[in-house]
This record gives sequence, structure tokens and C-alpha cells, in this order.
Amino acid sequence: EVQLVESGGGLVQPGGSLRLSCAASGFTFSSYWMTWVRQAPGKGLEWVASIKQDGSDKYYVDSVKGRFTLSRDNTKNSLSLQMNSLRAEDTAVYYCARGLRAAVTSFDYWGQGTLVTVSS
Amino acid sequence: EIVLTQSPATLSLSPGERATLSCRASQSLSSYLAWYQQNPGQAPRLLIYDASNRATGVPARFSGSGSGTDFTLTISSLEPEDFAVYYCQQRSNWPLTFGGGTKVEIK
Repeated sequence: EVQLVESGGGLVQPGGSLRLSCAASGFTFSSYWMTWVRQAPGKGLEWVASIKQDGSDKYYVDSVKGRFTLSRDNTKNSLSLQMNSLRAEDTAVYYCARGLRAAVTSFDYWGQGTLVTVSS
Repeated sequence: EIVLTQSPATLSLSPGERATLSCRASQSLSSYLAWYQQNPGQAPRLLIYDASNRATGVPARFSGSGSGTDFTLTISSLEPEDFAVYYCQQRSNWPLTFGGGTKVEIK
């Protein structure tokens, strides 16, 4: 059974940092693109960042470029999102999602999400 | 950035009725559009990818159509569990973008 379990969310002050993790199981992690999508409270979905199977290509939404860093460890079946210089507008539930093999940037499995709150 | 506009914002229907949801793109996507369903407090669920391909395990009452800039998600006969929010998402260009969502509510 495919499982994606996010962790690392919490309350942080503006300007602070957090590191989100996503533990993957039930599939060959190294064969799939992985992505983070976020959802601000009561709002719609927003794509944040995606990473290719071997980590050689990474893409970010403009609003997080230079502040967030996406990485993966295929030996540990783990995806990470290092978030620095956090702002109030980064407050959201962050979902880890797996890309389809046939359509790598459509997402067939999602974690339950981890809430990040940026507030003083 | 490609903007996706979903309409209507809210669709009020009864169980058994047909639902037609629209997603319009600011530029051509070819067929690179997906549809997701989201229930309150839950993660999104993939329904359709590349405009018309049903994801694994998705009931046949869900169908997708369209290409270019105009896309449609049709639910042929609404079941109680189908009342939810639906999002479209394009993968034609970076950045990936989602539409604002359509809420299908019980009339």
C-alpha cells in the first residue's frame, strides 16, 4: 500500500525556519517525481515545488524561490522541504504528493498534510 | 503563468443529477489537465489526468473532456459522496497551477 506521511509542521515566527519531511513507503520511491502542494486555511490548492526522480531537476513557485529548498534521499525513501525566511502567507497545510508514471506532474497519491503556521 | 478559471464557483444539485464543471485556461494546455476531488479535512484525490484518463479506482460516472483551453468534468449521476470541491490543475507549463475550485453542494 502506498503511503506518504508528512511531518515537521508547527508554529514558527515570521523570519523563522522549518524543515518538512515526507516518508514514503509501498512503492519504489526512486522511480517517481515528488511534489509539495500547499493549501492556506479555507483557500484553494497551490503547487509549491517538484523534484525529479534522481533529484537532478527541481522546480519552485516564484513566491518561494530562494527561501525554500527541496531535496530527496532515495536511500531513505524520504522527501524534504527546507523552509527559511518564513512569512505569514506561507501559513498552510503542506501536502506531499507522488507524480503519476504516465504524467509526472499529476498527483495520484497524497499524504494527510502537515500544518505550518507562521505567526508572532 | 497559466491561469485556470473554474466555473461555476458553486453548483447546487440533487443526488442522481448530472454535474458539469468547467475549467478554462489562459493559454493552450494541449491535453495536460487533471481534475481532483477534495472533501473537507482530507487530501485531494486524483480523478482524471491528461484531460480524459480516469485514475485507478475512479468510478465510471466521472469523465473528463476537452483540449486546448476548455475542459469539462462531468459526473453523470451524483452519488452522496460526490458532494465535494473539485479542482483542475495544468501541467503544460511551469509553474504548475490549480484552478480556484468548484463546490458541488446538495440542493
